[in-house]
Amino acid sequence: GDSVTQTEGQVTVSESKSLIINCTYSATSIGYPNLFWYVRYPGEGLQLLLKVITAGQKGSSRGFEATYNKEATSFHLQKASVQESDSAVYYCALSGGTGGYKVVFGSGTRLLVSP
Amino acid sequence: EAAVTQSPRSKVAVTGGKVTLSCHQTNNHDYMYWYRQDTGHGLRLIHYSYVADSTEKGDIPDGYKASRPSQENFSLILELASLSQTAVYFCASSGQGAGQLYFGEGSKLTVL
Repeated sequence: GDSVTQTEGQVTVSESKSLIINCTYSATSIGYPNLFWYVRYPGEGLQLLLKVITAGQKGSSRGFEATYNKEATSFHLQKASVQESDSAVYYCALSGGTGGYKVVFGSGTRLLVSP
Repeated sequence: EAAVTQSPRSKVAVTGGKVTLSCHQTNNHDYMYWYRQDTGHGLRLIHYSYVADSTEKGDIPDGYKASRPSQENFSLILELASLSQTAVYFCASSGQGAGQLYFGEGSKLTVL
């Protein structure tokens, strides 16, 4: 079946440093899935951070970027300079391409930004 | 603004009892989902629906039933609650297309 893998359960980064959160996917039943990053800030609900539905394209939001790499089946989340307010749990997810609506999530990565 | 509301927000149930978690959305979305979250597993799909009076099994449907009586409402039913069903449950809705989900606040279920 389809799956999303986030290898790091928690990442700690100092403020103003760069960040990368890894995400790889397997979409055996879907040729080219849609890819998403969701985020849960402390005390808030889960919300969409960014999405990319076309392979090779980059999505961006709030200073975060992620590129849809179909060759590597990856969708890593990056930010050049993190802030303390970025501390949250980040989830990578995929959904079907043509008409698919089943959304599969990774296990999540907790980001702690230290001052 | 899109809204998905879940009830109850927290519940303690006894093993073998029946539990119903309810979800209501005002987004006018066709698609609704139930996920459960356990530490280390992220969100796992239990059931989903793309039209009223129809539901589909997700990745972990065993021990759960779902009901979609209208476009706005989607319930998750545990006929015989078990200890292993202790978790936080999230409902979400989505319009047609690329699968962006709008989530509820979650329902924390503890089975004793």
